[in-house]
Amino acid sequence: DTAVSQTPKYLVTQMGNDKSIKCEQNLGHDTMYWYKQDSKKFLKIMFSYNNKELIINETVPNRFSPKSPDKAHLNLHINSLELGDSAVYFCASRAQSAGNTIYFGEGSWLTVV
Amino acid sequence: GNSVTQMEGPVTLSEEAFLTINCTYTATGYPSLFWYVQYPGEGLQLLLKATKADDKGSNKGFEATYRKETTSFHLEKGSVQVSDSAVYFCALSGGGADGLTFGKGTHLIIQP
Repeated sequence: DTAVSQTPKYLVTQMGNDKSIKCEQNLGHDTMYWYKQDSKKFLKIMFSYNNKELIINETVPNRFSPKSPDKAHLNLHINSLELGDSAVYFCASRAQSAGNTIYFGEGSWLTVV
Repeated sequence: GNSVTQMEGPVTLSEEAFLTINCTYTATGYPSLFWYVQYPGEGLQLLLKATKADDKGSNKGFEATYRKETTSFHLEKGSVQVSDSAVYFCALSGGGADGLTFGKGTHLIIQP
């Protein structure tokens, strides 16, 4: 079974649309994250949720809104998509007592045209 | 704040060559250190980690030692294979709910 799963893996959409990426972890972890990887492969944290509460909200446009219905899920909703939003988005999770290892999903490749 | 600096690639080696990818960090306290690998078209996989000074992480023939005195966590492998071609990321975490701070990644290309 996949520990951290996210859907869809590939998404091509037009500018101005609204889209969501879903993420689920079956590891029983307390903390979940969203990371963005740009075209130069640089990885940057966007959001962190601990037990359904937002802990980190890095400087991202407010068009991006994370939603955590429960501890095992952290979805990313993006409004009014722009060309610059094209990237790979990674969901991740960690248990605070697990030696700090963060486990990543397989990524969602978003292309805005 | 925390930061990670790693050698930028691409790094091109011949099969069976010795590999070193340098990584240094700046952090407050005692972070945990990681190497992640990303194969073409795939997600991030944990390669190895070390949680305290002088710990050595190892996996799949790769090794890295947590050196607090030089704030380094260099990745090494004695004999690389074509299948090792990937992007390698050095990262650190301060623990708790902190996320990872990544280096910019090193693209490794192994030629037969």
